[in-house]
Amino acid sequence: DGGITQSPKYLFRKEGQNVTLSCEQNLNHDAMYWYRQDPGQGLRLIYYSQIVNDFQKGDIAEGYSVSREKKESFPLTVTSAQKNPTVFYLCASRNLGPLGAGNTIYFGEGSWLTVV
Amino acid sequence: QKEVEQDPGPLSVPEGAIVSLNCTYSNSAFQYFMWYRQYSRKGPELLMYTYSSGNKEDGRFTAQVDKSSKYISLFIRDSQPSDSATYLCAMVPNFGNEKLTFGTGTRLTIIP
Repeated sequence: DGGITQSPKYLFRKEGQNVTLSCEQNLNHDAMYWYRQDPGQGLRLIYYSQIVNDFQKGDIAEGYSVSREKKESFPLTVTSAQKNPTVFYLCASRNLGPLGAGNTIYFGEGSWLTVV
Repeated sequence: QKEVEQDPGPLSVPEGAIVSLNCTYSNSAFQYFMWYRQYSRKGPELLMYTYSSGNKEDGRFTAQVDKSSKYISLFIRDSQPSDSATYLCAMVPNFGNEKLTFGTGTRLTIIP
């Protein structure tokens, strides 16, 4: 089935460690995104990429890094993870071009990161 | 002030009731509007989209846009327990813009 796969679903790390979240899509989408979802704040854009080997900072890029070596993969690294309540990370993708019935943003199932 | 305001709820209504979910926005450049449904601990899924003022209907769901008032709504008729979820509005200035702006989401519970 076509879709976006995020792994792992649940992740625990010690404070100060780097942690990498995986995102793979087999939809042949050009653009990929990473969002963070916190209660009461909605979805906030961390990074996005429209083409391989290129990516742009979103609204809250500090403390994160990404790479886009392959069209289907867009891993997110949380650098020096800080202790805080569990955070929900969402990966998304879409084709470039006008948004419409056949072109919209699709989301993965999310990854939960807890820093202890 | 946030660009998009959405009442976080929670909102609880009895099964069969009509539900109204709303978002207001301040950026008049927003032209394309979407509603996403997100079940607990899952990723959001697109429910409806529209880019013109007026109503758009899809089954039990109706999306309404009033650009003059900068106000959008999602109506759910004959609500079902399976409609219990968080509903997020999202909007973007134009087709070429990459960044969607999301509301905070409204948590809805349909009581059987």
